Amino acid sequence: SAVISQKPSRDICQRGTSLTIQCQVDSQVTMMFWYRQQPGQSLTLIATANQGSEATYESGFVIDKFPISRPNLTFSTLTVSNMSPEDSSIYLCSVLGGGYYNEQFFGPGTRLTVL
Amino acid sequence: QKEVEQDPGPLSVPEGAIVSLNCTYSNSAFQYFMWYRQYSRKGPELLMYTYSSGNKEDGRFTAQVDKSSKYISLFIRDSQPSDSATYLCATLSNDYKLSFGAGTTVTVRA
Repeated sequence: SAVISQKPSRDICQRGTSLTIQCQVDSQVTMMFWYRQQPGQSLTLIATANQGSEATYESGFVIDKFPISRPNLTFSTLTVSNMSPEDSSIYLCSVLGGGYYNEQFFGPGTRLTVL
Repeated sequence: QKEVEQDPGPLSVPEGAIVSLNCTYSNSAFQYFMWYRQYSRKGPELLMYTYSSGNKEDGRFTAQVDKSSKYISLFIRDSQPSDSATYLCATLSNDYKLSFGAGTTVTVRA
């Protein structure tokens, strides 16, 4: 299995500012994903981040709002830009890997509150 | 229409009871079906996955998929207080994207 850490674990931010969330994996992985889990709702995929290529965004999510970097096979960042209270959510990264190729492992999440 | 529909509950059962969780999905092309368990303030962890139709058993947990009705089920036998968590069903697309249900919060009372 893959061990994933995220930084920060939580943050409280002012509207209009930006926050960069880091995701670190203990092994090299090809595919990484970023999800959002809004209060009382399920996980929604924001984008897929593969090393060496631009991130692929899902409908409703755009690069200007959620720029993503994937500099190597163990690390990725997600930035939440120009934040509003509606961006208050838990942001999770996940990776594809492990014994079962279709298994995804999730990080612990970053709990973001925007005031 | 959401790709995966799940009754969010909550569900409260006494210890030892059978917990039954259900989801429906819309895309008949899906072949992989997952159940994730999420404890409070933690990321989801894969509990079980099933390929195509049929049953899969792992200890006290049984996952069922009926592709003819696009129905996914998870049963927990002899439930324990440690099973108290949110259970999320999910389908996996060919490009490895997960579509999650809303999650059902389960509380097992001692």
